Amino acid sequence: SYDLTQPPSLSVSPGQTASITCSGDKLGDKYASWYQQKAGQSPVLVIYEDNKRPSGIPERLSGSNSGNTATLTISGTQALDEGDYYCQAWDTGTVVFGGGTKLTVL
Amino acid sequence: EVQLVESGGGLVQPGGSLRLSCAASGFIFNRHWMHWVRQAPGRGLVWVSHISSDASTRNYADSVKGRFSISRDSAKNTLYLQLNSLRAEDTAVYYCARERSGRGIAFDYLGQGTQVTVSS
Repeated sequence: SYDLTQPPSLSVSPGQTASITCSGDKLGDKYASWYQQKAGQSPVLVIYEDNKRPSGIPERLSGSNSGNTATLTISGTQALDEGDYYCQAWDTGTVVFGGGTKLTVL
Repeated sequence: EVQLVESGGGLVQPGGSLRLSCAASGFIFNRHWMHWVRQAPGRGLVWVSHISSDASTRNYADSVKGRFSISRDSAKNTLYLQLNSLRAEDTAVYYCARERSGRGIAFDYLGQGTQVTVSS
């Protein structure tokens, strides 16, 4: 089965840049998506097709995907960015999620 | 406005069954593949199943294959998930998700979820 690996947690100071990685075998050959989930809420799509933002998602969220790693970058991190972030890809007929990264803005 | 509203969750004993429903509105239901995703308490997101727009293709995670069954009713704009032979490890919030049209697979809308608890 295909696996996606994320760091369990990441802490950043307000205004700093947060980079959340997602690793998988030849992930760069697939499309990666990212979801934000705040406490007690449903997940929300923030990046699709590696680097595209749905309407309403701020430009300070961006994505990239190359080699074995996809990265979600949050520039000028704000308190409202706190939450869990999940990467997701598709492999041979099944959808795979990373384990999630808990982002804390200190 | 796109809306996905799940229902049908509850408390069930091990070995029991439930049928989850997801009422879709605000978009042309039969143009989208649909999925179920679940999240156990304090854990991450796990894909469960998908069904194609015309219901001709269905697939399942290995952990639920042979026990769960996905279906859809285009006349009612409703997605279903039949859960049989339930186990404690099936306890989770179950989300209905719409697959966006485009390259790759991404879920542009998820519902609020319905809680399934398997316990004696």
